[in-house]
Amino acid sequence: EVHLVESGGALVQPGGSLRLSCAASGFTFSNFWMSWVRHTPGKGLEWVANIEQDGHKTHYVDSVRGRFTISRDNAKNSLYLQMNSLRVEDTALYYCASGLDRGDPGRLDCWGQGALVTVSS
Amino acid sequence: QSVLTQPPSASGTPGQTVTISCSGSYSNIGGNTANWYQHLPGTAPKLLIYNNNQRPSGVPDRFSASKSGSSASLAISGLQSEDEGDYYCAAWEVSLSGPIFGGGTKLSVL
Repeated sequence: EVHLVESGGALVQPGGSLRLSCAASGFTFSNFWMSWVRHTPGKGLEWVANIEQDGHKTHYVDSVRGRFTISRDNAKNSLYLQMNSLRVEDTALYYCASGLDRGDPGRLDCWGQGALVTVSS
Repeated sequence: QSVLTQPPSASGTPGQTVTISCSGSYSNIGGNTANWYQHLPGTAPKLLIYNNNQRPSGVPDRFSASKSGSSASLAISGLQSEDEGDYYCAAWEVSLSGPIFGGGTKLSVL
């Protein structure tokens, strides 16, 4: 069974940094794109970033590009999101998500339970 | 503002059929497949429909979907109280190299 477990969520001040982690199990992690998606009550679901199988190519939504960095360690079956220069509007529940179709990286079959990031002074 | 446009709310009574629409453009739904996600209160989002009209294993056949041009729609028949929650359409957006989500539709079962 596929499992994704996020950790690292916290309360942080504006301008601060935080690193989220996602531990994956139950599938061949290195075969699939991975994504971070965030949810806020007001905006709903928003894709944040993704990373290709070997970690060499990454993509970001405009609002986080230059501040957030997605990375992965295939030897550890782990996904990361380094978040710098955090803003109040980054407050959200952050989900780690994976697809199980190599031909459709936009399809997100599996989701973790989320890590809560609160940016507030 | 989301590039994929959904109605903010929908409702129905138990047993009825409800349809949720999703409008996009050539760079997302028009040129790629549409997926639908169910997000129930207190749970993680769940893939409900992929590749325009395919159901993952375990999703009841009460849920169906279709795509035409740059628009997609989700139909839920035999509405049940446990269907209450938010429903999101999504599609690969060429300009992002990532998926884009609709604003979500809050489904109420009256």
